[in-house]
Amino acid sequence: QKEVEQNSGPLSVPEGAIASLNCTYSDRGSQSFFWYRQYSGKSPELIMSIYSNGDKEDGRFTAQLNKASQYVSLLIRDSQPSDSATYLCAVKTSNAGGTSYGKLTFGQGTILTVHP
Amino acid sequence: NAGVTQTPKFQVLKTGQSMTLQCAQDMNHNSMYWYRQDPGMGLRLIYYSASEGTTDKGEVPNGYNVSRLNKREFSLRLESAAPSQTSVYFCASRPGHGHNQPQHFGDGTRLSIL
Repeated sequence: QKEVEQNSGPLSVPEGAIASLNCTYSDRGSQSFFWYRQYSGKSPELIMSIYSNGDKEDGRFTAQLNKASQYVSLLIRDSQPSDSATYLCAVKTSNAGGTSYGKLTFGQGTILTVHP
Repeated sequence: NAGVTQTPKFQVLKTGQSMTLQCAQDMNHNSMYWYRQDPGMGLRLIYYSASEGTTDKGEVPNGYNVSRLNKREFSLRLESAAPSQTSVYFCASRPGHGHNQPQHFGDGTRLSIL
């Protein structure tokens, strides 16, 4: 069974600190990786995507991918109280025939709390 | 820019009742998906439609049926609702070409089965 694992937290960081969120996955054939943010009672919204090994930066967010170790992480610099949310790691896995039709497998999410 | 629209937003059913959740997207996307989200379990795929005219089972299809009515619309039906189907249901869509494209989500339907 293809799995995506996240530490459910809650992760609590002070305002201005770096929040580090981690995700591991079991399918070595995974090609694409996404981080979604979900505020309480709201729908998931895409904040980062990464497809190649290494780092990808977008503003205060940095996604890191290591396919050999099968993990992907999200760093949030200068954390703000408005960053408090659940962060979902999603992995585009593959069927036996190599076609996934864009299906995603989600981790259970990490609850992040940024306190003033 | 409506994106992905789900109706209704809230619904309460009695055990054994039937219900259809509606989803429509105005982004000309090919692929559409239905998920359920339960506390502590992330999102689990119920059914998906890779393109108009096709549907297939996801991780948790039992108790559900789907219809891809046209390119825009993808509905989810509960034929005989059970309390275990109490959940938040999300519909998502994706262009369908290229493996790097993310899914875009609707606002969800909060469904309670008594």
